[in-house]
Amino acid sequence: AQSVTQPDIHITVSEGASLELRCNYSYGATPYLFWYVQSPGQGLQLLLKYFSGDTLVQGIKGFEAEFKRSQSSFNLRKPSVHWSDAAEYFCAVGAGDYGQNFVFGPGTRLSVLP
Amino acid sequence: NAGVTQTPKFQVLKTGQSMTLQCAQDMNHEYMSWYRQDPGMGLRLIHYSVGAGITDQGEVPNGYNVSRSTTEDFPLRLLSAAPSQTSVYFCASSPTIGTGNSPLHFGNGTRLTVT
Repeated sequence: AQSVTQPDIHITVSEGASLELRCNYSYGATPYLFWYVQSPGQGLQLLLKYFSGDTLVQGIKGFEAEFKRSQSSFNLRKPSVHWSDAAEYFCAVGAGDYGQNFVFGPGTRLSVLP
Repeated sequence: NAGVTQTPKFQVLKTGQSMTLQCAQDMNHEYMSWYRQDPGMGLRLIHYSVGAGITDQGEVPNGYNVSRSTTEDFPLRLLSAAPSQTSVYFCASSPTIGTGNSPLHFGNGTRLTVT
């Protein structure tokens, strides 16, 4: 069965510092991978997705992620964090017959210090 | 452009009561789904639908029913509420089911408390 792990429950960084959020997945075939962000009291918003091609994908708000098949990882990065990036971040893999069902990781909560 | 609309935003139920969480989308999406979000567990799939008249179970379907009589609506019914169903519920939709890489569009959630 597909699964997603996010080893860091909570990360705190200073504004302007770089950020890397870790994601590891378990999936038999080439995965469809996603990062979503959730602000307090809101639904989830798509940051970026990977389904084929270039293993480095660019997303919204200056985020990027790199797919590494050998490590079964899809880590999210941002070179300089802004206070507005404080939120919860979820990694997900597309599952089901067509990849239409999603398996989410437990999430990483990001706090940003001024 | 409303997207995915969930009602109500908040609900408190007593154990044993039943209720329906409403979800509607105006994007003509084929695929709709319900997730529950619990601390430290991410989102878990309850039920999903790949089109009107077609539904299937996800990872945690027990205690919930769904139906899909129209493309737009996908209500989630709690048959007899239990404290274990206290959670935040999200409805999500996607335009296609054939490619598997279409992202989900989420509603803003319904926070349910069962006492």
